[in-house]
Amino acid sequence: DQQVKQNSPSLSVQEGRISILNCDYTNSMFDYFLWYKKYPAEGPTFLISISSIKDKNEDGRFTVFLNKSAKHLSLHIVPSQPGDSAVYFCAASDNGSGNTGKLIFGQGTTLQVKP
Amino acid sequence: DGGITQSPKYLFRKEGQNVTLSCEQNLNHDAMYWYRQDPGQGLRLIYYSQIVNDFQKGDIAEGYSVSREKKESFPLTVTSAQKNPTALYLCASRSRGGANTDTQYFGPGTRLTVL
Repeated sequence: DQQVKQNSPSLSVQEGRISILNCDYTNSMFDYFLWYKKYPAEGPTFLISISSIKDKNEDGRFTVFLNKSAKHLSLHIVPSQPGDSAVYFCAASDNGSGNTGKLIFGQGTTLQVKP
Repeated sequence: DGGITQSPKYLFRKEGQNVTLSCEQNLNHDAMYWYRQDPGQGLRLIYYSQIVNDFQKGDIAEGYSVSREKKESFPLTVTSAQKNPTALYLCASRSRGGANTDTQYFGPGTRLTVL
């Protein structure tokens, strides 16, 4: 049972345009969401997170939107740069369950930003 | 520099052998995690530890074992009982801020290949 889903395996965007990566979840107990970026042969790098008490969080070129009623979140990258080309993972946790910090990851979306 | 180190970066194992993957962190984090990533899939949790001398099974613990004798170290042993061990293994640790602000930070990974 895939609790966190990234339905688009890949996305290609022109440099300077907006990249929108999507993520859906099924567990309504999730209350903390994160986006990670991963280059080949490296570990994931934390990008941005959002708590369920918010619907938007912004950090520079990166903005995460959370729609709790739809159980959907998205990551917007504006403007996209070639260095943003990587695999992006969405992750979720339920901090209420003993605050274990266990993360459930989506399958990842490969973003390619073309010069 | 504060961070998470994993060694070795590449590891080759013959069938029937046990191997131990190292994970060390100097971030003073209490919690540590081991994940496995297979091609085209997200990260799956193997084991986690919230405090020294305590650890819990994750979603795919069969064929693996861990220890947590020191706060800085969380080694993972891949035993011969793990039927399909070829994968990228990622170690993470977690800062414990206020509620809903916990974030996991990852090491560079160990790629294990069974020959």
